Amino acid sequence: GQNIDQPTEMTATEGAIVQINCTYQTSGFNGLFWYQQHAGEAPTFLSYNVLDGLEEKGRFSSFLSRSKGYSYLLLKELQMKDSASYLCACEGSGANNLFFGTGTRLTVIP
Amino acid sequence: DVKVTQSSRYLVKRTGEKVFLECVQDMDHENMFWYRQDPGLGLRLIYFSYDVKMKEKGDIPEGYSVSREKKERFSLILESASTNQTSMYLCASRPTEPTNEKLFFGSGTQLSVL
Repeated sequence: GQNIDQPTEMTATEGAIVQINCTYQTSGFNGLFWYQQHAGEAPTFLSYNVLDGLEEKGRFSSFLSRSKGYSYLLLKELQMKDSASYLCACEGSGANNLFFGTGTRLTVIP
Repeated sequence: DVKVTQSSRYLVKRTGEKVFLECVQDMDHENMFWYRQDPGLGLRLIYFSYDVKMKEKGDIPEGYSVSREKKERFSLILESASTNQTSMYLCASRPTEPTNEKLFFGSGTQLSVL
């Protein structure tokens, strides 16, 4: 079966750094996606990790540890527009192979 | 850029009505998906299709059916809408190769069943 856990809500201050964690248990793990979703909008792709380690992309970085079943999304220099839900999704094996967590709603405050 | 277009942004229907949600993608992707998204439950897969006329049940197919007569179009059908089908519906597509390609989402349809 598939089990993906991430915190439901987080709050952080503008200009700060926030880390959103995701733990997973899946069969046939191939990689992990992070998506951003603003309220009332569709999810948009942020990152994909297949190897262990940190992938940096501007203010956003994503980390993966396959042996620990753990990933995090790191957001630096937070801006008000970063207030959104962040979805962790694991890629397994098979035709239907993408499984989403319930998402973390991040609120950035002044 | 890949475009996934959902025909309606907002829909209001009555209980018992037959409802069609349409989705079209313009990048020749083999795979198309229908999700519903509810607060606290995240994205849940209803049905997906990996080729024309092919369909597979997802995690919550009950009360829904789908149709894929053409590669670019994937329709979600609620045969007899019920109030518990009030939700945000998201269509997505992705190619078969490369195998790790991301999902491309449509802008969503907020369906209210009264």
